[in-house]
Amino acid sequence: SAVISQKPSRDICQRGTSLTIQCQVDSQVTMMFWYRQQPGQSLTLIATANQGSEATYESGFVIDKFPISRPNLTFSTLTVSNMSPEDSSIYLCSGDRIYGYTFGSGTRLTVV
Amino acid sequence: QQQVKQSPQSLIVQKGGISIINCAYENTAFDYFPWYQQFPGKGPALLIAIRPDVSEKKEGRFTISFNKSAKQFSLHIMDSQPGDSATYFCAASPRNAGNNRKLIWGLGTSLGVNP
Repeated sequence: SAVISQKPSRDICQRGTSLTIQCQVDSQVTMMFWYRQQPGQSLTLIATANQGSEATYESGFVIDKFPISRPNLTFSTLTVSNMSPEDSSIYLCSGDRIYGYTFGSGTRLTVV
Repeated sequence: QQQVKQSPQSLIVQKGGISIINCAYENTAFDYFPWYQQFPGKGPALLIAIRPDVSEKKEGRFTISFNKSAKQFSLHIMDSQPGDSATYFCAASPRNAGNNRKLIWGLGTSLGVNP
């Protein structure tokens, strides 16, 4: 299956700042997904990103807060903007391959 | 509204025993049902998946049983090992829905296997 490299693996950020998370896939994927996961909980979809088009955001998530780029079929970024402590979470990217969805290892974000 | 209901929330079994996790779904458009395994500090990893044209799929010690009429599917882990201790998620999606192939997730089951 495709391998997704996600970075940074963790970061501690000051409130009011922004963090950009990068995901690089070792093969082309049609769709990429960005999730948020609180420790011990399920995954919450933030948005779906297709190459060359605007990302589609789920209810409760907006582009100004979580801008996403998808410049090609192997790369995507998620920015968490104007962070507050409530944004502390694990952020995961996922790529959709024909045989299933594969995930990066996640970015553990702590906002102080 | 939880479209994929997973149970139990947590499960403890003895080494060598059978672990069973159940999921139920509501949307009849779902046609792809994967199970994911997640270890602490890691992203979910695809374990096994099934489509509704078969009632069972087995890969090693892991088996999915699927009941289309009841809209239920379950994961069976045979000969459970301490290394199987992880969180397991079921999910579902309309696989052929074009750009709407997002996964709908269960809430997860924390499995502990006692040595």
